[in-house]
Amino acid sequence: SAVISQKPSRDICQRGTSLTIQCQVDSQVTMMFWYRQQPGQSLTLIATANQGSEATYESGFVIDKFPISRPNLTFSTLTVSNMSPEDSSIYLCSAGGLAFYNEQFFGPGTRLTVL
Amino acid sequence: GDSVTQMEGPVTLSEEAFLTINCTYTATGYPSLFWYVQYPGEGLQLLLKATKADDKGSNKGFEATYRKETTSFHLEKGSVQVSDSAVYFCALFYNQGGKLIFGQGTELSVKP
Repeated sequence: SAVISQKPSRDICQRGTSLTIQCQVDSQVTMMFWYRQQPGQSLTLIATANQGSEATYESGFVIDKFPISRPNLTFSTLTVSNMSPEDSSIYLCSAGGLAFYNEQFFGPGTRLTVL
Repeated sequence: GDSVTQMEGPVTLSEEAFLTINCTYTATGYPSLFWYVQYPGEGLQLLLKATKADDKGSNKGFEATYRKETTSFHLEKGSVQVSDSAVYFCALFYNQGGKLIFGQGTELSVKP
């Protein structure tokens, strides 16, 4: 299995600012993903973080709003840019790949509140 | 496109009651199926999985069988405990691409 940590665990931010969320995996993984979970809702995939290339974004999500970095096989960041109250959500990182028989493991999430 | 539909919650049961949470899916290929659990204030944990038709996944007293003929993956437990109170997510997964598609989640509340 993989153990995933995220920082910060929660934050309260002002409208118009940006927040960068870090995701660290305790082993090398092929695939890393970022999800958003809005209050009382299911998880929606934002993007797949590709190591060494640009992230692959799902419909409705764009790089300017959610820039992602993946500098190596154990680490990724998601930035929520120019935040508005509608961005208040839990953001979850997950990781997986062939080494884990295609299971995905999730971090504890970052609870973001935008005022 | 592919999708997952779960029964609506919240589901409220008494301790030791039998649990069923329905999950049906629409898939263009042959996905794996998962149940994830999210305890209050925590991230998601994989509860069980099945990778092909007729497989049964089981863990911690929970079971689910991959039924291709009815496109279902219902979660069952014979006797729930207060500690099972959580939100349960059904999801489908394709090895290629590695994306998980989640259902809307079902909140379970177990009363003593």
